[in-house]
Amino acid sequence: AQSVTQLGSHVSVSEGALVLLRCNYSSSVPPYLFWYVQYPNQGLQLLLKYTSAATLVKGINGFEAEFKKSETSFHLTKPSAHMSDAAEYFCAVSGSNYQLIWGAGTKLIIKP
Amino acid sequence: DAGVIQSPRHEVTEMGQEVTLRCKPISGHNSLFWYRQTMMRGLELLIYFNNNVPIDDSGMPEDRFSAKMPNASFSTLKIQPSEPRDSAVYFCASSFGQANEKLFFGSGTQLSVL
Repeated sequence: AQSVTQLGSHVSVSEGALVLLRCNYSSSVPPYLFWYVQYPNQGLQLLLKYTSAATLVKGINGFEAEFKKSETSFHLTKPSAHMSDAAEYFCAVSGSNYQLIWGAGTKLIIKP
Repeated sequence: DAGVIQSPRHEVTEMGQEVTLRCKPISGHNSLFWYRQTMMRGLELLIYFNNNVPIDDSGMPEDRFSAKMPNASFSTLKIQPSEPRDSAVYFCASSFGQANEKLFFGSGTQLSVL
């Protein structure tokens, strides 16, 4: 069975600072891993997706995530935060079937 | 492409009333998902359709909930009778392939049952 844990329901960073959002997963099969972003009053949209082609995955808006099998982690990073990055971020894992298992989400707060 | 279109954006109703939420997936997508989002429970998958056929409805909370997909371009989620605990944001999402492909979400329907 798959599961996802996102550490920290809220993360606050200053504008221009590094963004690090943590995601750990468990999966009995090689996983597909995803990060989605949800802006206020909107649906989720895909930031990036890992499918075993490369361990460092680059996504939209300057975000990237690194798959570390030994740590069962897929943390999301961005070198320099912008005010427009304020949103909720969801990590998800897909195993051998169609269903995505979602993390609880992390709200990213950007301080001016 | 207009993306996934959901209607209405907001619905306020009284307990006991019937509620129908509507979704138009992206043209060419063959998978459709209904999700419910609440603060307490996060994102919950309610039902998954593939090629208009319900594949998994194990997430549907009770018999009060039903979903249909009469054709590739339209789906409904119905709650009858509605209860205050059904208050949530309901999202429709579509994809080409299965859930390990990219999901495209609609803007959601904010449902308030008084």
